[in-house]
Amino acid sequence: DAGVTQSPTHLIKTRGQQVTLRCSPKSGHDTVSWYQQALGQGPQFIFQYYEEEERQRGNFPDRFSGHQFPNYSSELNVNALLLGDSALYLCASSFLDRGASYEQYFGPGTRLTVT
Amino acid sequence: GDSVTQMEGPVTLSEEAFLTINCTYTATGYPSLFWYVQYPGEGLQLLLKATKADDKGSNKGFEATYRKETTSFHLEKGSVQVSDSAVYFCALVIIQGAQKLVFGQGTRLTINP
Repeated sequence: DAGVTQSPTHLIKTRGQQVTLRCSPKSGHDTVSWYQQALGQGPQFIFQYYEEEERQRGNFPDRFSGHQFPNYSSELNVNALLLGDSALYLCASSFLDRGASYEQYFGPGTRLTVT
Repeated sequence: GDSVTQMEGPVTLSEEAFLTINCTYTATGYPSLFWYVQYPGEGLQLLLKATKADDKGSNKGFEATYRKETTSFHLEKGSVQVSDSAVYFCALVIIQGAQKLVFGQGTRLTINP
């Protein structure tokens, strides 16, 4: 059973460019969340997708956008990259209606460096 | 708002020592609580969880008890190993139209042989 997968593993971009990160959820999961983890800090919630719609957004600007496909996979897009966008981007998947445990399973992350 | 506070690190211990990493939370209602572990260069792995007051989560020798009266979820292990060296994150989940994890700042643990 494959876990959460993310691509690419590493990415280097220049300020002002745009980037797309990809995530495939764990088998059986229908919900995908994205988190940004700056160096030495805990992950920060960006947004969550369920049934191809954004359910909630954290405190991130509109430069951050996403999409969920019918097969539950997801993309995170960041436009007009800033140096401060350099971070590890984590995707997490879960099954929305599975009781009260609300476990989220994380992928290995995409390390984005903006120069 | 909802938040998680962890003891500041880094924490350095010798092998077979007793480990405690403190975690307290502020939340509306009674959230589920989690400990995640991050090994170097990797994503987060769920270590253990507790969904209601007085629940004890346990895994791989680690334990944490959901204490409503002190709003705490401290992580403990009786005898640590070098392989336990990692960053540990305490987290709670907020359910408001979505499942949003709120993390503490993380505690880096180093175990020396």
